[in-house]
Amino acid sequence: EVQLLESGGGLVQPGGSLRLSCVASGFTFTTYALSWVRQAPGKGPEWVSGISEAGGSTYYADSVEGRFTISRDNSENTVFLQLNSLRAEDTAIYYCARGNPFWSPFDYWGQGTPVTVSS
Amino acid sequence: EIVLTQSPGTLSLSPGERATLSCRASQSISSISLAWYQQKPGQAPRLLIYGASTRATGIPDRFSGSGSGTDFTLTISRLEPEDFAVYYCQHYGSSPPFTFGPGTKVDIK
Repeated sequence: EVQLLESGGGLVQPGGSLRLSCVASGFTFTTYALSWVRQAPGKGPEWVSGISEAGGSTYYADSVEGRFTISRDNSENTVFLQLNSLRAEDTAIYYCARGNPFWSPFDYWGQGTPVTVSS
Repeated sequence: EIVLTQSPGTLSLSPGERATLSCRASQSISSISLAWYQQKPGQAPRLLIYGASTRATGIPDRFSGSGSGTDFTLTISRLEPEDFAVYYCQHYGSSPPFTFGPGTKVDIK
């Protein structure tokens, strides 16, 4: 069974940082690209960042470019999202999702981890 | 950037009725690049349809997708109690951003 389990969310002040993790199981991790997708309260999902199977290619939405960094550790079946210079508008549930959005939809999602940016 | 618009915002129907949800793109997109997701409260989105018309694994055949160009439709032939949820369309492929629509809520009349 495919599982994606996120962690690392929480309450942080504007300008602060967080590191999100997503541990995968139930599939061959090294053969799939992964993304982070966030969803603000009452809004539709928003793709944030993606990383290729080997980690050599990374992609970001304009809204987070230069502030967020995606990475993966294929020996630990884990993908990370480093969130820096956080703003109130970054408040959302952050989901880890399997798939390469350049040619495929997101076929499996984790349960999400909440991030709240507030003073 | 491709903008997706969904209508109606809310659809109030009874179990057993047919639901027709619309997704319109701001410019023509390939039909292989359109997906539909279902989301229930407190849950992550679940992939229903990809390539505009192909059901994902385990999705019942009462769900069907159609369309091309800028206009796409998700149809639920007969609503079951578990189908009352929010539905999102998404464009993928070509280049980022990989946008989602604002959603259509299907609630019980």
